[in-house]
Amino acid sequence: GAGVSQSPSNKVTEKGKDVELRCDPISGHTALYWYRQRLGQGLEFLIYFQGNSAPDKSGLPSDRFSAERTGESVSTLTIQRTQQEDSAVYLCASSLSSASYEQYFGPGTRLTVT
Amino acid sequence: GESVGLHLPTLSVQEGDNSIINCAYSNSASDYFIWYKQESGKGPQFIIDIRSNMDKRQGQRVTVLLNKTVKHLSLQIAATQPGDSAVYFCADTGRRALTFGSGTRLQVQP
Repeated sequence: GAGVSQSPSNKVTEKGKDVELRCDPISGHTALYWYRQRLGQGLEFLIYFQGNSAPDKSGLPSDRFSAERTGESVSTLTIQRTQQEDSAVYLCASSLSSASYEQYFGPGTRLTVT
Repeated sequence: GESVGLHLPTLSVQEGDNSIINCAYSNSASDYFIWYKQESGKGPQFIIDIRSNMDKRQGQRVTVLLNKTVKHLSLQIAATQPGDSAVYFCADTGRRALTFGSGTRLQVQP
């Protein structure tokens, strides 16, 4: 079956512009996660969605970052007024439920802010 | 604060040798640990997991060891192959999301 997909695969934007990154989780997975990975670094948790519960936004680095999820399907991560330090790979993962810790990752979106 | 970290940033091994990748964690409440493999340009891929009530778990060519006394886990890869070249991350799930270490790059020399 299809895995987690993300689009675009690469995004180059000018400082100050807004960007939207998309994630399509595995069908049936109720939990969805966004992570940020800077070059040569580990994964940094951003936000977590579980079903219809309020999302856990505790990892969002600033109010320029926001995310939405439609039901148990697509999610979009929005970064407003991008800064150069936002340059990173943004990874999305999904799992059957929050109790099912095994997370399946998408290929990521590489964001470059010039 | 909580952290998951790795001892060595790069590990170079000869093809056919065994590899051992180490990881230290600080969150005593962590009840589940996962090793991920990340190849260049791809998202992390699940390798093996272990729960805190175990000290060893084996998979195909991989073994994870957990020492809760010193808060240390390791990933052992038997008969390392060129396809094993990647960055390996350990992660713990003390919270709902994963807390990742910075990773160890495994380089397999032919």
